[in-house]
Amino acid sequence: AQSVSQHNHHVILSEAASLELGCNYSYGGTVNLFWYVQYPGQHLQLLLKYFSGDPLVKGIKGFEAEFIKSKFSFNLRKPSVQWSDTAEYFCAPFDSWGKLQFGAGTQVVVTP
Amino acid sequence: EPEVTQTPSHQVTQMGQEVILRCVPISNHLYFYWYRQILGQKVEFLVSFYNNEISEKSEIFDDQFSVERPDGSNFTLKIRSTKLEDSAMYFCASSEGREAFFGQGTRLTVV
Repeated sequence: AQSVSQHNHHVILSEAASLELGCNYSYGGTVNLFWYVQYPGQHLQLLLKYFSGDPLVKGIKGFEAEFIKSKFSFNLRKPSVQWSDTAEYFCAPFDSWGKLQFGAGTQVVVTP
Repeated sequence: EPEVTQTPSHQVTQMGQEVILRCVPISNHLYFYWYRQILGQKVEFLVSFYNNEISEKSEIFDDQFSVERPDGSNFTLKIRSTKLEDSAMYFCASSEGREAFFGQGTRLTVV
């Protein structure tokens, strides 16, 4: 069965620290990969996406993600977080049958 | 830039009442979706719709739920007899086949 797994449910870190959120997926065919962010009280926003080509993709607000096909992973990173990065982050593979499935989400809290 | 729009942004309804949540997908998209997010929980897939029929639905999408594309532009989610546990944010999305674009959601509160 298709699945997506986010390793950390809750992360607390200080401003300027580096952030890495893990995501693994289990899909049989071609998959496009997305990270979404949801700031407190707001709707989902696209952070970045991967379709093909360079496995290191850059998104908005200094975020990047690396697709490692052999590990079925698409980890999200940011070298230096800010307080405004406090949000929930969702990894979401989009499979070849047209279904977008969300991971459980990682709540990130950045302390000043 | 084209976007998915949802109405209303917030709806309060009494338990047992029927509600219809409306969505206008991006015009050239072929795939349509509904997701929901109960407060503090993850985003859950409800249903996908393609070629004027349901292509996939989750266990959550039981007989009280239905979807319709009544006029070729709107995409609606109907909940026939709402329960307290239906209170959630409902997101509509549409896709051209590679990427899903989300609306801003309808917050449904069942009292």
